[in-house]
Amino acid sequence: AQTVTQSQPEMSVQEAETVTLSCTYDTSESDYYLFWYKQPPSRQMILVIRQEAYKQQNATENRFSVNFQKAAKSFSLKISDSQLGDAAMYFCAYRSAWDDKIIFGKGTRLHILP
Amino acid sequence: DTAVSQTPKYLVTQMGNDKSIKCEQNLGHDTMYWYKQDSKKFLKIMFSYNNKELIINETVPNRFSPKSPDKAHLNLHINSLELGDSAVYFCASSSRTDLSNQPQHFGDGTRLSIL
Repeated sequence: AQTVTQSQPEMSVQEAETVTLSCTYDTSESDYYLFWYKQPPSRQMILVIRQEAYKQQNATENRFSVNFQKAAKSFSLKISDSQLGDAAMYFCAYRSAWDDKIIFGKGTRLHILP
Repeated sequence: DTAVSQTPKYLVTQMGNDKSIKCEQNLGHDTMYWYKQDSKKFLKIMFSYNNKELIINETVPNRFSPKSPDKAHLNLHINSLELGDSAVYFCASSSRTDLSNQPQHFGDGTRLSIL
């Protein structure tokens, strides 16, 4: 069975600095998708960024980028120029190419220090 | 124009009652899901429906019964509510017929509190 591990329950970063959230996953499949979701205090689940496993190039979305290491099964999220609005729970998620089910990590709570 | 909408947002009820949470999506997606987020924020899938057909049932007690009258709706009915059912329940949808990396779109969640 696939698993997703986020080893940092909480992190803090100074406003305007850069922070990296870690995520590792375990799977025997070669075709899958990885996501980072953000859950602010409003409780919404917002897709931040996604990565197809067959793509070697790391995905980027404005200030958000990933470091995808397929061999190491690692998928970290880098947030540059952190803003107060980035404060939220961040969930790393895995989805097989053959399944609709998304498997979430336990989340990392990110605090932004003014 | 909310894409995935759930009602109610908050539900407070007594143990032993039966309650329903409704979900509707206007994205034209063919697959809908229910997730449960417990007090430790752990999100876990409960059910998935594709074109009104049950696809995923993740060992959820049979007190939970999803109902999909059409592919735009997936309601969750819970019988004989227990204290452990207190959680936030998220509905989500996606399109299987679109690119297979289509992300799931989530509703805003329903916070269920059992007294």
